[in-house]
Amino acid sequence: GEQVEQRPPHLSVREGDSAVITCTYTDPNSYYFFWYKQEPGASLQLLMKVFSSTEINEGQGFTVLLNKKDKRLSLNLTAAHPGDSAAYFCASNNNNAPRFGAGTKLSVKP
Amino acid sequence: EAAVTQSPRNKVAVTGGKVTLSCNQTNNHNNMYWYRQDTGHGLRLIHYSYGAGSTEKGDIPDGYKASRPSQENFSLILELATPSQTSVYFCASGVLGVSYEQYFGPGTRLTVL
Repeated sequence: GEQVEQRPPHLSVREGDSAVITCTYTDPNSYYFFWYKQEPGASLQLLMKVFSSTEINEGQGFTVLLNKKDKRLSLNLTAAHPGDSAAYFCASNNNNAPRFGAGTKLSVKP
Repeated sequence: EAAVTQSPRNKVAVTGGKVTLSCNQTNNHNNMYWYRQDTGHGLRLIHYSYGAGSTEKGDIPDGYKASRPSQENFSLILELATPSQTSVYFCASGVLGVSYEQYFGPGTRLTVL
């Protein structure tokens, strides 16, 4: 079955710096991917979903890149601020039962 | 507003006891899921369901049963709880189809002593 590896497990950056989180997956039939944010003690909230072979999606303060050739998905927070401090999870879905990466705990220091 | 709710929010159980975690969704979604979240493992899929009466095994089903008596409700049952099942459990609902995201409940923190 699908295996999703997420790196790094912990990431600490200064306010205004960029922060990059990367996931790799194994199943070539996976074609929908998701990024979720989890604030401390809270549930998961969708940040963005991405589809298609190579795609760059831009949200508020972040960019998501999918490279299906390399089976790699990345989340780039372009200018991190303390409110971005949270855990981030990638997920892939190829059969109605999404599988998640292990998560990245991001800390943004003022 | 559509929502996924879980009960109880916190539970302390004894080893060997029976535990039932409940999930209710008002999203009218066909699919529902149970995950557990542990440090270093992220969310791991325990069971999921495509609709009332259906349950499917996820990646770590051993020691867990699931029940989907209706579109709205999906339960996770630990017949003989063990300390290794101490975790935070999340329920989620989703539309049938791989392009759709999941909507998560607030989580249940289970401690098995």
